[in-house]
Amino acid sequence: AQTVTQSQPEMSVQEAETVTLSCTYDTSESDYYLFWYKQPPSRQMILVIRQEAYKQQNATENRFSVNFQKAAKSFSLKISDSQLGDAAMYFCAYRTFYNQGGKLIFGQGTELSVKP
Amino acid sequence: EAGVTQFPSHSVIEKGQTVTLRCDPISGHDNLYWYRRVMGKEIKFLLHFVKESKQDESGMPNNRFLAERTGGTYSTLKVQPAELEDSGVYFCASSQDRDYRNSPLHFGNGTRLTVT
Repeated sequence: AQTVTQSQPEMSVQEAETVTLSCTYDTSESDYYLFWYKQPPSRQMILVIRQEAYKQQNATENRFSVNFQKAAKSFSLKISDSQLGDAAMYFCAYRTFYNQGGKLIFGQGTELSVKP
Repeated sequence: EAGVTQFPSHSVIEKGQTVTLRCDPISGHDNLYWYRRVMGKEIKFLLHFVKESKQDESGMPNNRFLAERTGGTYSTLKVQPAELEDSGVYFCASSQDRDYRNSPLHFGNGTRLTVT
C-alpha cells in the first residue's frame, strides 16, 4: 500500500523569504501523481501544484515549485518570496495513475506560519 | 459557480449519539468523495461515489458509518452511535470527471466533529 509522510508538523518562514516543505512517499508503482494542497485557516483546501511521475521536469506554479526526486521518492515544495497569505496547512498527496477516479493518499500535513 | 458546501461546520455531540453530516457537491459533479482527518494525523479516504453508486468504500472504518447519495446529488454521512475516536474534521470533495487532469477536485470547508 502507498504511504505519504510529512516529517515537519510545523514550519515558519519570514515574509519574502523562501521555505521548503518536505514530503516522502512509498509506492511500488512506476506511474502516479503527486500533489500539494493548501488549507488556509477555516477555508477550503485548494490545489497548489501537481506533478506527473512520468514527467522529469519539476512542476512550477508562480512562486511555488517542487523538487521531485523519483528514485528517492521525495516530493518537496518550495515557496519563494513568502507572503502572509501563504500561511496555511499544507498537505502532500499521492494518487495512483491507473485509477483516474481513485482516492488521494495524504500525508500528515505541515502547518506553515509566515512572520511579517 | 457555488463551491462544495458542507454542513454543519461544527458539531459537538455526546458519545452514543447520532450525527449526520451533509455535503452538497458542485452541481453536475458525478464524483463525490468523503475524507476525514483525525487530530494531528493524515487525511484519510472514506469513500467515493459516482453519481448514486458507491465506487469505493474501502476507507469506511466500521458499520457505525453510513454514507448515502440518493439521486446522485447531495450526500450524507451518518455516524451512529458516535464514539470518541470519531472526532475529527470530515471533508467532502467533488469532481466532474474521473480524470483529474480534465476535472480538478474541489473540497468543501469541512465539518469539525467533536464527540465528548
